[in-house]
Amino acid sequence: KAGVTQTPRYLIKTRGQQVTLSCSPISGHRSVSWYQQTPGQGLQFLFEYFSETQRNKGNFPGRFSGRQFSNSRSEMNVSTLELGDSALYLCASSLVALSSYNEQFFGPGTRLTVL
Amino acid sequence: DQQVKQNSPSLSVQEGRISILNCDYTNSMFDYFLWYKKYPAEGPTFLISISSIKDKNEDGRFTVFLNKSAKHLSLHIVPSQPGDSAVYFCAASGRAGSYQLTFGKGTKLSVIP
Repeated sequence: KAGVTQTPRYLIKTRGQQVTLSCSPISGHRSVSWYQQTPGQGLQFLFEYFSETQRNKGNFPGRFSGRQFSNSRSEMNVSTLELGDSALYLCASSLVALSSYNEQFFGPGTRLTVL
Repeated sequence: DQQVKQNSPSLSVQEGRISILNCDYTNSMFDYFLWYKKYPAEGPTFLISISSIKDKNEDGRFTVFLNKSAKHLSLHIVPSQPGDSAVYFCAASGRAGSYQLTFGKGTKLSVIP
């Protein structure tokens, strides 16, 4: 079974630009979450999508947005990039069972560098 | 305000010995806890989890203990192997069906041969 895939793996942008990152979940997984990892803040939750709807959102500015398609693939977008947006962006997918917990499976991440 | 804390940024253990990684949380609404392992240039890999209705869960060499009254959990690895060298993250979730995990900042475990 293929794991979570993220593209691109590495990205370099300049301040003010925008960026779109892509995530393909494990086949059959309908929930996709995004996290930002930085050395200072650790792993922080950005948002979670299920059935093309954002169900949860973390404490990030509106420059961070996402969407999910009917095939469960997800994209996240960051507009007007700032230096502090340099981070590893991780996508995680999970089976959905509303009455129980399911572990999340992470992709390898996209390393974004903002110059 | 850090709701999940891993107070030891690093830990060194001799091969064959026990590794104990600790995690504290402040939010009493958390009721499901997970441990992830992360190697450089890879995403976190799920290791083991525990629900708040339990105080212990075992999976092979890995055991997680939960002390709800102290809001503390720990991961025991016995025996430790050099391949266990990685960063370990503790994570917590607040309710069934929620996929919003709150992570600690991680503990880097080094297992010395």
